[in-house]
Amino acid sequence: LAKTTQPISMDSYEGQEVNITCSHNNIATNDYITWYQQFPSQGPRFIIQGYKTKVTNEVASLFIPADRKSSTLSLPRVSLSDTAVYYCLVVGGTALIFGKGTTLSVSS
Amino acid sequence: NAGVMQNPRHLVRRRGQEARLRCSPMKGHSHVYWYRQLPEEGLKFMVYLQKENIIDESGMPKERFSAEFPKEGPSILRIQQVVRGDSAAYFCASSPPIDARQGASVSYNEQFFGPGTRLTVL
Repeated sequence: LAKTTQPISMDSYEGQEVNITCSHNNIATNDYITWYQQFPSQGPRFIIQGYKTKVTNEVASLFIPADRKSSTLSLPRVSLSDTAVYYCLVVGGTALIFGKGTTLSVSS
Repeated sequence: NAGVMQNPRHLVRRRGQEARLRCSPMKGHSHVYWYRQLPEEGLKFMVYLQKENIIDESGMPKERFSAEFPKEGPSILRIQQVVRGDSAAYFCASSPPIDARQGASVSYNEQFFGPGTRLTVL
């Protein structure tokens, strides 16, 4: 199982772009890179998933270099409500393996 | 379409009692997963079930814990003779059948989580 490493915490201000980088050096060929968001006292919520290159949806963008050993979640123009824990996962089977995630704090 | 439902949201038990946690998956979902989250930690996988079958229980403690997902009704996570170390948030997630995911625009193994049950053992 690939292990992921991401910063423990990040701080930002409203309106800024936030980039959270995750390393997954042992990612397998069949693995997908997936990001979840968790607010206090709630279950995680799927944000975005990719295999390679760039993926964009209405919430975020995900950048994955050719070697797939890292990925960057990009949140454009964050707001106070984006304060949460963000988990980077490498998904290849049925069980999701969560690390401690990155706690993003957005201030006004 | 209602999301994943869990009840109770909060459960208090004394040491030695039994705890029963319930999870109703999203409509049309036949796969259920249980996770446990300790304070300041990420979620830890416990068990993966499909209707009437346990598919993967590699994360379940060997004793006192059991899970089921009957043909009718919610999935149940049962903890017998609870101890203080069982205090945690327990999350249930569900996903649609594999052959239905593409039609539902669901990403690979995307799981939909419930709000969790917070178990406190006194």
